[in-house]
Amino acid sequence: QVQLVQSGAEVKKPGASAKVSCKASGYIFTGYYVHWVRQAPGQGLEWMGWINPQSGGTKCAQKFQDSVTMTRDTSISTAYMELRRLRSDDTAVYFCARGSPTGGSYYGMHVWGQGTTVTVSS
Amino acid sequence: DIVMTQSPLSLSVTPGEPASISCRSSQRLLHSDGHTFLDWYLQKPGQSPQLLIYLVSNRASGVPDRFSGSGSGTDFTLKISRVEAEDVGVYYCMQGLQTRTFGQGTKLEIK
Repeated sequence: QVQLVQSGAEVKKPGASAKVSCKASGYIFTGYYVHWVRQAPGQGLEWMGWINPQSGGTKCAQKFQDSVTMTRDTSISTAYMELRRLRSDDTAVYFCARGSPTGGSYYGMHVWGQGTTVTVSS
Repeated sequence: DIVMTQSPLSLSVTPGEPASISCRSSQRLLHSDGHTFLDWYLQKPGQSPQLLIYLVSNRASGVPDRFSGSGSGTDFTLKISRVEAEDVGVYYCMQGLQTRTFGQGTKLEIK
């Protein structure tokens, strides 16, 4: 079945970087956008950006443009989100989600990963 | 940036009774292709979000027909015709016209 499996929890010190992976299975990885969404403890959902796995093109929310890098490895159907210069307020659960088809019309985020907790603490 | 505003932020509903959540966008969400890019998601306690409704009124696969979405322009509504215990969680609207923005969330509890 279609699923996204994310990497395990991470604990990082302020100023470090964290890289979360999202492995897709059950569908053609390059056929759909992958979005990244985060949720701080007790807070709502915050969209971070998307990557087009086919072209490698990305789009970030303005807030994350200088601190987030999204990449993919099509050979292993995996998307990555790296967050640099971590601060305590980056402590959150990070989700990946499958979005619209890369060559088709708008579709929403139909499939979500299980989430990866990143804790930033000195 | 498009701002999404939900109301109410919480509601408590008796099982079997209806529920309604409103979502307002700061700009019209109508795309040039004629579709309106507005989704609804439910995050059940301890789970990842799940898509309920996309393009205002299209139910995602497996979503019960007691869930329905409506609206146009800048005003949208999610309705649950008869709330069940499994519907508890936080409901979010999200615009997809310009990047993505979520509403603040509406917490639904069972009385």
